[in-house]
Amino acid sequence: AQSVSQHNHHVILSEAASLELGCNYSYGGTVNLFWYVQYPGQHLQLLLKYFSGDPLVKGIKGFEAEFIKSKFSFNLRKPSVQWSDTAEYFCAVKTGSARQLTFGSGTQLTVLP
Amino acid sequence: NAGVTQTPKFQVLKTGQSMTLQCAQDMNHNSMYWYRQDPGMGLRLIYYSASEGTTDKGEVPNGYNVSRLNKREFSLRLESAAPSQTSVYFCASSEGNVGGRYTEAFFGQGTRLTVV
Repeated sequence: AQSVSQHNHHVILSEAASLELGCNYSYGGTVNLFWYVQYPGQHLQLLLKYFSGDPLVKGIKGFEAEFIKSKFSFNLRKPSVQWSDTAEYFCAVKTGSARQLTFGSGTQLTVLP
Repeated sequence: NAGVTQTPKFQVLKTGQSMTLQCAQDMNHNSMYWYRQDPGMGLRLIYYSASEGTTDKGEVPNGYNVSRLNKREFSLRLESAAPSQTSVYFCASSEGNVGGRYTEAFFGQGTRLTVV
């Protein structure tokens, strides 16, 4: 069964700091990978997605993620975070013949002004 | 452009009561999903419907039933609510697999359910 691990449960950064959130999945075949963001009190919104091709994927709001197949990872990065990036971030994977997404447990990011 | 609409937004139930959460999407998506979100556990799939007329269990289906009423609507029913079902429930829809790629899911605003 497909599974996703997000090892950072809560990350606290100051504004302008760089961000990297870890995501690892457990499947050796073809994967579709996603990062979603949930701002306080709101629903999940898509940040970026990877299907194939260039392993460096750029999303909205300056976020990017790198697919490293050998490490089964899809880490989310942003060079300089803002207070408005405070939110919960979820990695999700769809693998092989599965017909639905599996989500990680989420990482709460708090950016201090 | 409404996207995915869930009702109600908030609900308090007593243990043993029943209720139905409604979900509708206007994007002509084939697939629809119900997730629950609990602190530290991310989103867990309750049930999904890959296409109109089909439903399948997800990771945590016990205590729930679903109905795919038509292509637009996918409801979630709690027959006898329990405190363990206190959670935030999200409905989502997606086109599903298109040309070998799984298209992203779009989420509703959520229903915050408390069972006392």
